[in-house]
Amino acid sequence: DAGITQSPRHKVTETGTPVTLRCHQTENHRYMYWYRQDPGHGLRLIHYSYGVKDTDKGEVSDGYSVSRSKTEDFLLTLESATSSQTSVYFCAISGVGGQGPQGPQHFGDGTRLSIL
Amino acid sequence: GDSVTQMEGPVTLSEEAFLTINCTYTATGYPSPFWYVQYPGEGLQLLLKATKADDKGSNKGFEATYRKETTSFHLEKGSVQVSDSAVYFCALGHTGGFKTIFGAGTRLFVKA
Repeated sequence: DAGITQSPRHKVTETGTPVTLRCHQTENHRYMYWYRQDPGHGLRLIHYSYGVKDTDKGEVSDGYSVSRSKTEDFLLTLESATSSQTSVYFCAISGVGGQGPQGPQHFGDGTRLSIL
Repeated sequence: GDSVTQMEGPVTLSEEAFLTINCTYTATGYPSPFWYVQYPGEGLQLLLKATKADDKGSNKGFEATYRKETTSFHLEKGSVQVSDSAVYFCALGHTGGFKTIFGAGTRLFVKA
């Protein structure tokens, strides 16, 4: 168990409001990722982090920002939520057991976000 | 860039049938292939992996062999159970990169 907790697990909010999702890990793994999963699109990378304060964009980063001020926490923020951001969001980590980022990823249980 | 192609679903099988889900990839360098499984309402879980050419990964009766000459990593199981109903993702990690490339996923339904 890689000790990944996502919060909240479910959220309903309105268009235009800011939303922050949290991913917390207990084992100080270096690499963390945020994905969104939508029917017909599979899993798409939003942002990733390769260390404290070191982040980079994935393939669908528009409208999202991230922060990593501590090894254990990776936050995903929707500055002004839109209905197109309704999705299931997954956090993942890699680098377990000293492997590099190309090693297997371990996923949280997801956050189901609905924007009305 | 690197890409992963897996067979489209859904795949519907009867219990005890043989399962194959095809996965092929394009990549430079030394990729590491994986299979993940996602049960309803959960995140992806690593099912099996391979680390070098001709390696066979196996777990829970599932197997996949990393074939570098055909750039493939097909998933097989000799006798599926209803509890194997899930979505299966082929994926590729890559030395020197931070990202894992995921296939689109294949939904498997197993009927009793």
